[in-house]
Parts: sequence; structure tokens; C-alpha cells
Amino acid sequence: QMQLQESGPGQAKPSETLSLTCLVSGGSISSRSYYWGWIRQPPGQGLEWIGSMFSSGSTYYNPSLNSRVTISVDTSKNQFSLKLSSVTAADTAVYYCGRHRMIRGRLDVFDVWGQGTLVTVSS
Amino acid sequence: DIQMTQSPSTVSASVGDRVTITCRASQSVSNWLAWYQQKPGKAPKALIYKASSLESGVPSRFSGSGSGTEFTLTISSLQPDDFATYYCQEYNSYWTFGQGTKVEIK
Repeated sequence: QMQLQESGPGQAKPSETLSLTCLVSGGSISSRSYYWGWIRQPPGQGLEWIGSMFSSGSTYYNPSLNSRVTISVDTSKNQFSLKLSSVTAADTAVYYCGRHRMIRGRLDVFDVWGQGTLVTVSS
Repeated sequence: DIQMTQSPSTVSASVGDRVTITCRASQSVSNWLAWYQQKPGKAPKALIYKASSLESGVPSRFSGSGSGTEFTLTISSLQPDDFATYYCQEYNSYWTFGQGTKVEIK
């Protein structure tokens, strides 16, 4: 059974770059049926899709974050990563990685999720 | 940008009740809509995709309907395990979530 596990620093300073990695186990990140994405949830608030990436490098980013987000995939390590630059307190959130399912060429739900990791932006 | 608005924000209900949650899109998303359930401290779980298709393993008391701009999630007979927050998510343009509806014990 596929599992996803986020890792990375739990804190970041304002104006710095937040970096997280998601390790995929129980299946290949090179599967042609899935993209791989990031979603975040500020404390006590709702969900926000950040971006999704295919193993070939094709990406979709949330337009509201596009200029600050980079998602990359390392197929040799079966993992993918998130970098979010110029962070502020508003970027404090639980960050989830997820498997973004593709059906007939359309990305629909995140059907497998990591447990989430809290990142706090504070000086 | 498409905005997704859920109502109500909170619903108080008892075990056995029928619960309906509404999700409205600011423009048509056809039937490209999903529903998730999230419990405190846990990742969301997909329940429904394409407005009315049940994810594998999801109990049949959950159902979804709608198209265009108005959608509903119905729990036909609320069970103790169903007290949670529910989110809709469109995937016609990007993958925008509604703000959530908390189902709490009455």
C-alpha cells in the first residue's frame, strides 16, 4: 500500500525559503497515472492547493503562489520536493503531500495523503 | 479564479440524522467536483469525485449530486464516525477547495 511521508524543517524565518520533501513508498513515483502535489492548511483554516507535478517535469501551480513555488521530482529517490520562497507568517501551515490521480487525462482528487507537517514562519 | 462557497459552515446533528451540505461555485465547473472528509489532526480523505461517484471503500450512506454551479453532499444516516469537517473541491480549472463545513454533535 502506497504511503507518503513529508520531511523538512518545522520552522522558517521570514523572507527565507521553505523546503519540504515527500518520500513515496509502496509504489513508483514514475507511474503514468498520477501527478504528485502539495496542499497546505493554515491552523484552524481550510485547504489550499499549492501545486502538482508529473514525473516527467510537467507542473501546475496555484496562480496565487506561482511566483514563489517550485516543485521538483527525484525519480531515483522516489521523492518529490516543495520550495516556497520569500515566506511570511501567512505561510504558516500544515503542509501535506499527496498523490494526485489522473483519469482520462484529467487530474481529479488527491487519493493518497501524507500525514502532514507543520511549518511555522517566525523570526 | 473560481470561488467555492460551502453552506452551512457548521451543522449540528444527531446520529441517524440526514445531513446535507451545499457547495456553490462562482462559475460552472460542469461535474468536476470532489468531496473530502477531514478529522482533527488527520489528512483529508476523498469521498466522492465527478460530483456523484463514490470512492472505493466509502460507505453508501454518502452521496453527491449536482452539476454546473450547485452541488450537495448528503449523508443519509449520520454515524458516529461521520463527525468531521467536509470540503468540496473543484477541478474544472485549478483545484480550489471550499472553506469547509463542520458536522458536529447536536
